[in-house]
Amino acid sequence: GQQVMQIPQYQHVQEGEDFTTYCNSSTTLSNIQWYKQRPGGHPVFLIQLVKSGEVKKQKRLTFQFGEAKKNSSLHITATQTTDVGTYFCAGRAGGYQKVTFGIGTKLQVIP
Amino acid sequence: DGGITQSPKYLFRKEGQNVTLSCEQNLNHDAMYWYRQDPGQGLRLIYYSQIVNDFQKGDIAEGYSVSREKKESFPLTVTSAQKNPTAFYLCASSIAGQDYEQYFGPGTRLTVT
Repeated sequence: GQQVMQIPQYQHVQEGEDFTTYCNSSTTLSNIQWYKQRPGGHPVFLIQLVKSGEVKKQKRLTFQFGEAKKNSSLHITATQTTDVGTYFCAGRAGGYQKVTFGIGTKLQVIP
Repeated sequence: DGGITQSPKYLFRKEGQNVTLSCEQNLNHDAMYWYRQDPGQGLRLIYYSQIVNDFQKGDIAEGYSVSREKKESFPLTVTSAQKNPTAFYLCASSIAGQDYEQYFGPGTRLTVT
């Protein structure tokens, strides 16, 4: 079945440092979504990438979808304490309603 | 005020008892999902439904059952056959189709002793 690997599982950064999490799929994806879950909360949708090589930005967050549509990354520039949480990627293979979530990257930001 | 509600927030049960978790949405979404979240395991799909009166098994359906009699409701029953039922359970909904994001409820934390 489809697998989505996500690394790293944990990341501690000093406030102001950059952060990146990576996702790799065992199969070609039709799209990939990113979610953020704050401590004690539920996942909240951030963005969806559909096109090969697509890059999207949301303020300090940059999302990329690989040329082969099998990998993706989320980069946060100059982290802030409000960035704390777990970031999940969720990949969807063509023709399927369901998505497969990565294990998540838990980000801790040290003030 | 649109959204997804899950109740209760915390649930405690004795081993051997079935328990039903509630999930209601007023977003008019056709698709609904149940996930289980354990530390270090991410979100794992239990069941999903794309339309009323139809549902499919996800990756870890054993020991669980669902029903979808109404568009707004997708209750999950954790049966006594589920070997490790203690977990955080998340319900989600979306517009049917491949290009739409999922909206998650606040979750129910189930503890079975």
